[in-house]
Amino acid sequence: EPEVTQTPSHQVTQMGQEVILRCVPISNHLYFYWYRQILGQKVEFLVSFYNNEISEKSEIFDDQFSVERPDGSNFTLKIRSTKLEDSAMYFCASRTSGGANEQFFGPGTRLTVL
Amino acid sequence: KQEVTQIPAALSVPEGENLVLNCSFTDSAIYNLQWFRQDPGKGLTSLLLIQSSQREQTSGRLNASLDKSSGRSTLYIAASQPGDSATYLCAVPAYGNNRLAFGKGNQVVVIP
Repeated sequence: EPEVTQTPSHQVTQMGQEVILRCVPISNHLYFYWYRQILGQKVEFLVSFYNNEISEKSEIFDDQFSVERPDGSNFTLKIRSTKLEDSAMYFCASRTSGGANEQFFGPGTRLTVL
Repeated sequence: KQEVTQIPAALSVPEGENLVLNCSFTDSAIYNLQWFRQDPGKGLTSLLLIQSSQREQTSGRLNASLDKSSGRSTLYIAASQPGDSATYLCAVPAYGNNRLAFGKGNQVVVIP
């Protein structure tokens, strides 16, 4: 069964460093998302991406964040200068353009900023 | 702004009992509602999706109901097993049909 994959599973970085989180959405999906979950808190929406551009972003998604679909399969989230409060689990999700509009989530990348 | 609340936050039940997990949302103009399972430190596994036109959806021992007008959904898990121990998350589209707004989850422990 097709699934969303994410790499790495765990990333440790120093404050101020840049990180890139990678996702491979399900191949026939057209909408892509990033969410994050700080330990003990709700899953929060960051950004959605469709037709090679951001379709919606939350107030969390400031200038430190960017997304890119560099090729036909990968979808990346870049954090330019990480802060301690960026430590969280980051989830990628994707869905098709019609039907039930069900979002399918990847296993997540745990980001630890020291 | 769509707000999602899940009650109870945590519950423990003996194996074999039925589980009833509640989700409420403030904006009833939703397109669908998804229930997810999350194991500790892991990703989100989609369990059920209910379209706004549906009243309930079933998958094996799981049954989810939706009362859109009152802003409520209930997930029933029949004959619970220790393997059902996890956190169950409810999510609805916050605006239009794009971003999902999540509840904090129902943390379930099934005692053998």
